Amino acid sequence: GAGVSQTPSNKVTEKGKYVELRCDPISGHTALYWYRQSLGQGPEFLIYFQGTGAADDSGLPNDRFFAVRPEGSVSTLKIQRTERGDSAVYLCASSLKGGAADTQYFGPGTRLTVL
Amino acid sequence: AQSVTQPDIHITVSEGASLELRCNYSYGATPYLFWYVQSPGQGLQLLLKYFSGDTLVQGIKGFEAEFKRSQSSFNLRKPSVHWSDAAEYFCAVGAPNTGNQFYFGTGTSLTVIP
Repeated sequence: GAGVSQTPSNKVTEKGKYVELRCDPISGHTALYWYRQSLGQGPEFLIYFQGTGAADDSGLPNDRFFAVRPEGSVSTLKIQRTERGDSAVYLCASSLKGGAADTQYFGPGTRLTVL
Repeated sequence: AQSVTQPDIHITVSEGASLELRCNYSYGATPYLFWYVQSPGQGLQLLLKYFSGDTLVQGIKGFEAEFKRSQSSFNLRKPSVHWSDAAEYFCAVGAPNTGNQFYFGTGTSLTVIP
């Protein structure tokens, strides 16, 4: 079956611009996670959705970052006024029910480069 | 707060040799523990996980890991490495009582030489 997909695979933008990154989770998975992976680092938690609601957004670094999941499936991570420090690979994962015991399935990521 | 340490940034082994990747965690109780592998251009793939019970867990691709509470460790092992095992390996911790967040280590890059 189809895994988690993310688009675009690469995004290059200029400092100050707005970007949207999309995640298509595995069908039927209620939980969706966004992570950010900087060069040489492990993934860093950003936000967790259970259904349509953001159950935990404590990892979002500041108010320039926002994510939505309006219909409980596809999610969009939105970054306003991008900064060079936002350059990273943004990973999306989904799991069937959510919670620490539930296996997370990861997408291939979107590589964001802010010039 | 939970944290994960992978002390080895990079490891090189010969094909056919045994492998052990180290992982230490910091958590007040027994966490959920995971090992993921990331190949270039690929998403993170779960190798194995530990929640409770038998401290030696078997995973995919011939990998195993052993949970040692006294050492707060969850080291990944493979008896005979294949060239296709070259990748980045991440240890991760999930906290049973918070439920949502995974904490990843910084990863260990594995190179396999013929």
